[in-house]
Amino acid sequence: SQQGEEDPQALSIQEGENATMNCSYKTSINNLQWYRQNSGRGLVHLILIRSNEREKHSGRLRVTLDTSKKSSSLLITASRAADTASYFCATDAGDSSYKLIFGSGTRLLVRP
Amino acid sequence: SQTIHQWPATLVQPVGSPLSLECTVEGTSNPNLYWYRQAAGRGLQLLFYSVGIGQISSEVPQNLSASRPQDRQFILSSKKLLLSDSGFYLCAWSALQGPDSPLHFGNGTRLTVT
Repeated sequence: SQQGEEDPQALSIQEGENATMNCSYKTSINNLQWYRQNSGRGLVHLILIRSNEREKHSGRLRVTLDTSKKSSSLLITASRAADTASYFCATDAGDSSYKLIFGSGTRLLVRP
Repeated sequence: SQTIHQWPATLVQPVGSPLSLECTVEGTSNPNLYWYRQAAGRGLQLLFYSVGIGQISSEVPQNLSASRPQDRQFILSSKKLLLSDSGFYLCAWSALQGPDSPLHFGNGTRLTVT
């Protein structure tokens, strides 16, 4: 079963606009991670936020985590055409295992 | 630096044929290793993960099996492929440090079962 579910499933914006993607999960977690996937390629790790953190920044990326609502958001500011990709959130299983469970992803299209 | 190699990149196999996908990691020791499958336009489904040689955890009952004959080698196999085995197979590794370690993915194998 999937732990994380992204919303929206697809997002189309103009270059320069901000893109916000949301992720909800079901069980307690140790951390939440965001990944990016270009079409037909493997996933690339973007950012990790621990359960005791509320916000984290990396370049144009801003991630928030609300453990009370079991949700996270990924904000990409000043988007570029090169940001076009699918974005996935992933959570650990909340136990001592090393499993990482991925959501269904948000497909982002940034129009030039 | 660490690298992960996954091959082949694409594969077309008939129903009932065997399968062997290989993944190797370089530049690190004792990695956690993972096999995921991704259906078209969908998320990733965890198939197997391994925290050491000979230690394989299966997440989904299915037609597939995994083996880890060496520390940095992870193999996904099937004796007889089904049509439903078609998909994009991704191998990944993480450092054996705990749940905070990010995953590093290979470029995937696109399998089409005909």
